[in-house]
Amino acid sequence: DAGVTQSPTHLIKTRGQQVTLRCSPKSGHDTVSWYQQALGQGPQFIFQYYEEEERQRGNFPDRFSGHQFPNYSSELNVNALLLGDSALYLCASSLLQTTDTQYFGPGTRLTVL
Amino acid sequence: AQSVSQHNHHVILSEAASLELGCNYSYGGTVNLFWYVQYPGQHLQLLLKYFSGDPLVKGIKGFEAEFIKSKFSFNLRKPSVQWSDTAEYFCAVNEPTDSWGKFQFGAGTQVVVTP
Repeated sequence: DAGVTQSPTHLIKTRGQQVTLRCSPKSGHDTVSWYQQALGQGPQFIFQYYEEEERQRGNFPDRFSGHQFPNYSSELNVNALLLGDSALYLCASSLLQTTDTQYFGPGTRLTVL
Repeated sequence: AQSVSQHNHHVILSEAASLELGCNYSYGGTVNLFWYVQYPGQHLQLLLKYFSGDPLVKGIKGFEAEFIKSKFSFNLRKPSVQWSDTAEYFCAVNEPTDSWGKFQFGAGTQVVVTP
């Protein structure tokens, strides 16, 4: 049973560029949450998707957007990258009815130069 | 808004020593409480969680945590650590009324266990 998978593993971009990160949830899970983990910090909630809709959002600007597909996989898009967007981006999946238990992926390390 | 504070950023201890990591949250309502662990090179994993009932909860790998409502605390403990407990530990909170599962994490505590 595959757990949560994310791609790519690492990514290097320059300021002003756009990036798309991908996540496949654990088999049977229908809800995907995205977090940003800056160096030395805990994960910060970006948003959560269920039934292809953004259900809740943290304190992140509109440059951060997402999408969920019918197969429950999800993308995180960041436009107009800033140096401060450099971080580990984590995807977590769960069943909506049990969003208290989230399973995390390995993350995508984004470096913005 | 909720916040989660972890008292120590780094802890170094020897094998067989006891471990206690502090976690305090600021929220007056009912919360769910969690401890996650991230071993070097691995994913975040759930160690234990508290929703209600017995305030002393037991998790995997010999860890336990105690919820003290009056102190808004949820401290993690292990009586005797092993080298394999070297990891980063995160305390997290969410509101059970928040059905969409938004988690608030602490900054983490890096624990190093020396042989």
